[in-house]
Amino acid sequence: DSGVTQTPKHLITATGQRVTLRCSPRSGDLSVYWYQQSLDQGLQFLIQYYNGEERAKGNILERFSAQQFPDLHSELNLSSLELGDSALYFCASSVDPSGGAKDTQYFGPGTRLTVL
Amino acid sequence: DAKTTQPTSMDCAEGRAANLPCNHSTISGNEYVYWYRQIHSQGPQYIIHGLKNNETNEMASLIITEDRKSSTLILPHATLRDTAVYYCIVSYPTGNQFYFGTGTSLTVIP
Repeated sequence: DSGVTQTPKHLITATGQRVTLRCSPRSGDLSVYWYQQSLDQGLQFLIQYYNGEERAKGNILERFSAQQFPDLHSELNLSSLELGDSALYFCASSVDPSGGAKDTQYFGPGTRLTVL
Repeated sequence: DAKTTQPTSMDCAEGRAANLPCNHSTISGNEYVYWYRQIHSQGPQYIIHGLKNNETNEMASLIITEDRKSSTLILPHATLRDTAVYYCIVSYPTGNQFYFGTGTSLTVIP
């Protein structure tokens, strides 16, 4: 158990819908990362937040957005869902992104999103 | 954008040491090498990391060459539960996102 929690575990929805995935980082971790893992793309970095501020952006679609709240939990919002958005979505957290040991990311169990 | 190269797959006999190589020839002086593994569709699990010295913890050992252009993850006594995809990652100096490549699929054989 990494200490990172994600809800829900599974989500089934229809095309065109909007969903919200939630992540609670490990106690004391200030940085949260979101990754997408689909069958044909592997693990892809989406976005990173540090202490409430967006820190880095990866291959995140404009239909997707995220935020980190004052209590440091984070939400990933996916809208206008398409079949291709079906994937595992992982959240990770680290103490802070200053490099080295404090940068070690601990991953949650993931949310499996199925778009029908 | 993956900065590492790993073999696609490897087999290892149960109880033997599993040596997983990784090439990171473009690594810069302040970048760390991280190893993670992913079992089935679970969240990636942190194994070990290092900068230039060899490192050991309860899970594995990490051997980094003197020029830092390659490293080897060693699982000293592989068990069936070590069957997983192993990812070698070079971290950016400001601690940003990890770029996962395709990793090495390790199969431990009874």
